[in-house]
Amino acid sequence: KQEVTQIPAALSVPEGENLVLNCSFTDSAIYNLQWFRQDPGKGLTSLLLIQSSQREQTSGRLNASLDKSSGRSTLYIAASQPGDSATYLCAVPNTASKLTFGTGTRLQVTL
Amino acid sequence: NAGVMQNPRHLVRRRGQEARLRCSPMKGHSHVYWYRQLPEEGLKFMVYLQKENIIDESGMPKERFSAEFPKEGPSILRIQQVVRGDSAAYFCASSPTGDGSTEAFFGQGTRLTVV
Repeated sequence: KQEVTQIPAALSVPEGENLVLNCSFTDSAIYNLQWFRQDPGKGLTSLLLIQSSQREQTSGRLNASLDKSSGRSTLYIAASQPGDSATYLCAVPNTASKLTFGTGTRLQVTL
Repeated sequence: NAGVMQNPRHLVRRRGQEARLRCSPMKGHSHVYWYRQLPEEGLKFMVYLQKENIIDESGMPKERFSAEFPKEGPSILRIQQVVRGDSAAYFCASSPTGDGSTEAFFGQGTRLTVV
């Protein structure tokens, strides 16, 4: 059974800092890994999808890496802004696209 | 191309009433997934449907909960005789394939409050 863990559970950084969010999964037989953002009381916004054959995927200030063999992914956020404050979730699908989510990292970027 | 549409966005029901949550997948997507997010908890899979078929309902409570995805119209998640513990955000996702290889797109969710 796939288990997904995210650390840290919460993170507070001053504006402008670069930061790394971590995601680990127990079953490395995955097609891809998705990172999402969730604002309080809102839905999920897909940030990045990184395929199992890829090592990295970039979108603007976001960079996701994937090390399938060790069961780890990181989301790097460069030059953080207060608008980046949200909960970040990683998720991996099984062979039927059923997603297993991590418990999330709650990020607060302060002025 | 509209995204995944869920309605209503907010739903308030008294204990014992029925709740019906609707989800229209993205155009061209025939695979629909329902997830539940209890307060201060992570998202948990409930059910996976294709048109007219339930593929996997392993995450759905055995009683009071049902789901359908008819040939025409949206997918419906139905909760009968709601209880306070059903209060949660319910999210729907759709995917063009059901083989784990493609991106899942989520709706904005329905926030159910049972009073």
